[in-house]
Amino acid sequence: GDSVTQMEGPVTLSEEAFLTINCTYTATGYPSLFWYVQYPGEGLQLLLKATKADDKGSNKGFEATYRKETTSFHLEKGSVQVSDSAVYFCALSWPGGYQKVTFGTGTKLQVIP
Amino acid sequence: EAQVTQNPRYLITVTGKKLTVTCSQNMNHEYMSWYRQDPGLGLRQIYYSMNVEVTDKGDVPEGYKVSRKEKRNFPLILESPSPNQTSLYFCASAGLGGGYTDTQYFGPGTRLTVL
Repeated sequence: GDSVTQMEGPVTLSEEAFLTINCTYTATGYPSLFWYVQYPGEGLQLLLKATKADDKGSNKGFEATYRKETTSFHLEKGSVQVSDSAVYFCALSWPGGYQKVTFGTGTKLQVIP
Repeated sequence: EAQVTQNPRYLITVTGKKLTVTCSQNMNHEYMSWYRQDPGLGLRQIYYSMNVEVTDKGDVPEGYKVSRKEKRNFPLILESPSPNQTSLYFCASAGLGGGYTDTQYFGPGTRLTVL
């Protein structure tokens, strides 16, 4: 079945550091890929998405590119802020009739001043 | 305001006492889903629904029931809760534009403790 693998956290960075959170997936075909963010005490909210190979999703300074050759969707940000501290989830879902969504285990990011 | 609401937000109960967690969305979304979030396991899908009267099992459906009698509501029912169902539960909804699950909108979560 489908699976999503994220790098283990927690990740601790100083403010203005460069961020990479790795995400790879296993699936037959070309799913849509998502990054969701969960701030403390809240539900998840969409950060960015990409629906086909080579697409780049971006939002709030975060970017991720859909790489079908490496089945990856790594999240990057050039300069993190304390307010970026949260848990980040990579996920995939499918176009067409099969609507199951698969999430990774989440990566906790802590940014220190 | 577009939103997904869940009630209650916190619940402590005892083993075997039936409970229902409600979920409602005001975005006219076809798709709704329930997840549980546990440390080290991320989010796991319990059940999902493509539309009224259409539901299907996710990864961890055992011990749970759902119903979808109205488009806006998707309650999660635990007929006989057990301590291993202690978890943080999220409801989510999405439109089905283009025939696939688009961006999901999540509720604020329900923290359930079963003693």
